[in-house]
Amino acid sequence: GNSVTQMEGPVTLSEEAFLTINCTYTATGYPSLFWYVQYPGEGLQLLLKATKADDKGSNKGFEATYRKETTSFHLEKGSVQVSDSAVYFCALMRWNSGGYQKVTFGTGTKLQVIP
Amino acid sequence: ETGVTQTPRHLVMGMTNKKSLKCEQHLGHNAMYWYKQSAKKPLELMFVYSLEERVENNSVPSRFSPECPNSSHLFLHLHTLQPEDSALYLCASSQEGAQAEKLFFGSGTQLSVL
Repeated sequence: GNSVTQMEGPVTLSEEAFLTINCTYTATGYPSLFWYVQYPGEGLQLLLKATKADDKGSNKGFEATYRKETTSFHLEKGSVQVSDSAVYFCALMRWNSGGYQKVTFGTGTKLQVIP
Repeated sequence: ETGVTQTPRHLVMGMTNKKSLKCEQHLGHNAMYWYKQSAKKPLELMFVYSLEERVENNSVPSRFSPECPNSSHLFLHLHTLQPEDSALYLCASSQEGAQAEKLFFGSGTQLSVL
């Protein structure tokens, strides 16, 4: 079956530090890949996505590249801010034969940015 | 504001109680989902409704009973829960079809079973 593995947190960084959160996946075929973010007390929001190999998703200074050869989709940001403190979820999506999205999530990585 | 509203935000219940979680989406989507979020575990997909029909039930115990009366509303009825059912329950919706690209989540109901 499909699965997503992401690094365990929490990750604690100082403001303006470089961020990498690793994510690898197992899936048949060609899934779409996503990063969702969950701020305290809120639900998940889509941060960025990539739908095919070598695509780069980007949003709010975050980037991730779909690497089929290494089955990875690592999240990076060059300079984090305190407001980036949240839980980050890597996910993959395959279309189910029933015609709906089948999304598999990782365990989430908590990021804490200190001033 | 994501367009998906969940109530209540917090719920404490005893093991013999019966309660319901409510989800409402104002996005015109035709698929709705219940997820369970527990600490240090991946989000668990519980149920999927597409066009108001249940299309997936991921081996969820019968003490959880979903209901989708129309495409905008989704309920999760709870009865005789166990302490290990304490978790954040998230509702999500999406528009199925070629243009679908993401899930829209509510803020969740934090459930504590005593």
